[in-house]
Amino acid sequence: KNQVEQSPQSLIILEGKNCTLQCNYTVSPFSNLRWYKQDTGRGPVSLTIMTFSENTKSNGRYTATLDADTKQSSLHITASQLSDSASYICVVSDRGSTLGRLYFGRGTQLTVWP
Amino acid sequence: EADIYQTPRYLVIGTGKKITLECSQTMGHDKMYWYQQDPGMELHLIHYSYGVNSTEKGDLSSESTVSRIRTEHFPLTLESARPSHTSQYLCASSGPKSGDDEKLFFGSGTQLSVL
Repeated sequence: KNQVEQSPQSLIILEGKNCTLQCNYTVSPFSNLRWYKQDTGRGPVSLTIMTFSENTKSNGRYTATLDADTKQSSLHITASQLSDSASYICVVSDRGSTLGRLYFGRGTQLTVWP
Repeated sequence: EADIYQTPRYLVIGTGKKITLECSQTMGHDKMYWYQQDPGMELHLIHYSYGVNSTEKGDLSSESTVSRIRTEHFPLTLESARPSHTSQYLCASSGPKSGDDEKLFFGSGTQLSVL
C-alpha cells in the first residue's frame, strides 16, 4: 500500500532555532515529492518540489533533501520565525496514471514560540 | 498568492439542507480538485476535473456532486447535509500555465458544520 508517513506529529521550538521535519514514503513508482506549508485556516502552499535526481533544494530558510534509495525526505528550517508556525505536509506523486496520483502525509504541526 | 477563491469561508447549517460550496480560479487551469480535510488527518480527494464537462469521483466516497460548466468554476453540492459531512473542504487547481502541471494551488477552504 502506498503511504506517506511524517514525523514528528507535532513540534514546538523557540524562535531562532533550527528544526528538521521528516517524511518517509513507500509510493512506487516515484515521480516527485513536494512540501507544502499550511497556515491555520488557509489552504496549503507549495514550498518546494524534489524530483528523483535531486538530493537537496533550498527556498530561503527552507532546505529540502531527498534520498530516493531509502525513500526519505526532510525539510530543514533555519533560524525559525513566528510566521513559520504552521502544518507542513509532504505529498508524493507516482507515475501510475496520466494525472499522477498524489499521496498526502498527515503533516507536522510546527509551533514557534517567542 | 494563488488566484483561487472559495466561498463561504464558514458555513453552519442544519441537517437536511442543500448547500453549494463555490470555487473559482482565474489562472486558466484545466485541472480542479475538491479535497476534504479533518484535523490532524491527511487530505482526501473527493472529486476532480480535467476540464469543462469532465468530472470524476476521487478516492474518498462522498455524497456530494460537482459540475464543471466553465473552466474557472467548480462548485460542490450536497443535496442533504448530515453531521457526518462536517469537515474542512479545500478546492485546488493545477495546470501547465503555472509552469508545473502537478503543483496545486489551494483556496482558503470552507469550514462546514452540520448540526
